[in-house]
Amino acid sequence: GDSVTQKQGQVTLSEDDFLFINCTYSTTTYPTLLWYVQYLGQGPQLLLKVTTANNKGISRGFEATYDKGTTSFHLQKASVQESDSAVYFCALVSSGSWQLIFGSGTQLTVMP
Amino acid sequence: GALVYQYPRRTICKSGTSMRMECQAVGFQATSVAWYRQSPQKTFELIALSTVNSAIKYEQNFTQEKFPISHPNLSFSSMTVLNAYLEDRGLYLCGARDRTYEQYFGPGTRLTVL
Repeated sequence: GDSVTQKQGQVTLSEDDFLFINCTYSTTTYPTLLWYVQYLGQGPQLLLKVTTANNKGISRGFEATYDKGTTSFHLQKASVQESDSAVYFCALVSSGSWQLIFGSGTQLTVMP
Repeated sequence: GALVYQYPRRTICKSGTSMRMECQAVGFQATSVAWYRQSPQKTFELIALSTVNSAIKYEQNFTQEKFPISHPNLSFSSMTVLNAYLEDRGLYLCGARDRTYEQYFGPGTRLTVL
C-alpha cells in the first residue's frame, strides 16, 4: 500500500538556520503530495501541496519539490524563525482517492 | 475562509463510559468528513470516512458499534466513543473535505480516559 516516510523525528535549529526535513513516499499511483504543519494544541494545517511531478510548492518561505525520480518531497526553508516551531507532516493522496496518508511527523524546535 | 470547529476541545471520561464529540464546518460545504485519531506519539489513524447520503466507511480496527458517526448535513458531523478504555485516548481530529477535495482539519478533541 501507499506509505510516507519521514526519517527525522526531531530537528533542533537556531533562528536563521536552514531547514531541511526529509520525506520519501511509495505509491503505485500519481499522488498529490502535501506538507501539513501542526502547532501545539491545534489540528494540522495545510502548508503546501503539489499535484504534478517535478513541480515545486512554495508557501510562507517553505518549499518542497515533487521529485518523482527519487520519490521524495523534502521540505526546505532558507531561514527559520522561532515561530516555525511545530510538528511537520508529509502526506500523500493517491489519484482517485480521498484518503490522506501521513508520515510520522518531524518535531521542529527553533531556539531563539 | 474555511474553518472547522470541534468540541469539546478536551474531555475526560471514566473507563467504560462514552463520550460524544462534534465537528462543524463553517464557510464551506463539507461533502465528506474523515475522523482520525492521533496518538500521543503523533501518528494518525483513520477511523472512518463519512459522506452525506452515503454509507459510512470504517477502516480496519474501527467499527460502527464502537465509534458511531452521524453526518446529517453538509456542515455537521458527530462521533461517539462508546465504552472508552485507556487505548482509546488520543486527539480525535475531524477532517472536512469540500467539493474541491481540499481537506480542512479542526483543532481536535483530546480524550483522556481514567
